Amino acid sequence: AQSVTQLGSHVSVSEGALVLLRCNYSSSVPPYLFWYVQYPNQGLQLLLKYTSAATLVKGINGFEAEFKKSETSFHLTKPSAHMSDAAEYFCAVSKAAGNKLTFGGGTRVLVKP
Amino acid sequence: EAGVTQFPSHSVIEKGQTVTLRCDPISGHDNLYWYRRVMGKEIKFLLHFVKESKQDESGMPNNRFLAERTGGTYSTLKVQPAELEDSGVYFCASSPTGKGEKLFFGSGTQLSVL
Repeated sequence: AQSVTQLGSHVSVSEGALVLLRCNYSSSVPPYLFWYVQYPNQGLQLLLKYTSAATLVKGINGFEAEFKKSETSFHLTKPSAHMSDAAEYFCAVSKAAGNKLTFGGGTRVLVKP
Repeated sequence: EAGVTQFPSHSVIEKGQTVTLRCDPISGHDNLYWYRRVMGKEIKFLLHFVKESKQDESGMPNNRFLAERTGGTYSTLKVQPAELEDSGVYFCASSPTGKGEKLFFGSGTQLSVL
């Protein structure tokens, strides 16, 4: 069975500071890995995905994530936080394209001016 | 292009009542998924339609939940009778054939069972 762990249900960062959201997964097969973001009163939007190509994945809005097989991690980073980054972020894993997603518990990001 | 739309956005019902949630996927998307997030917990998979067929319904909690997708267009999720533990946010998502790794999510239905 697959599982996803996101460390920290809430993260507070200052505007302009590094954003680092941690995600570890377990999977019996090479996984597809995703980060989704949910802004207030909206649906989840795909930030980026890893599907066995490059281990460093660049996404929208300046976010990127690095797949580290040895650490079973897929941490999300952004060099400089913006106020508009305040949202909830979800890490997810699936066995293949079109397969069901297994989500982590989510991390809510607060950006302080 | 319209996104995935869900109705209603909020529903408050009493225990024992019936509620029907609706999802309109993006036009042309064969894959349709239902997910649920109970407060404080992870988003969990409920089921997956490919067109009108149930591809995977392994996440359905019990037989009080019935999902349909007649004609392969919109889908409904009926809860009958509703229990307190059914409260949460129900998300629908869709994706086109062959590009299933990117899901387009609706904004969800917040269900409160009192």
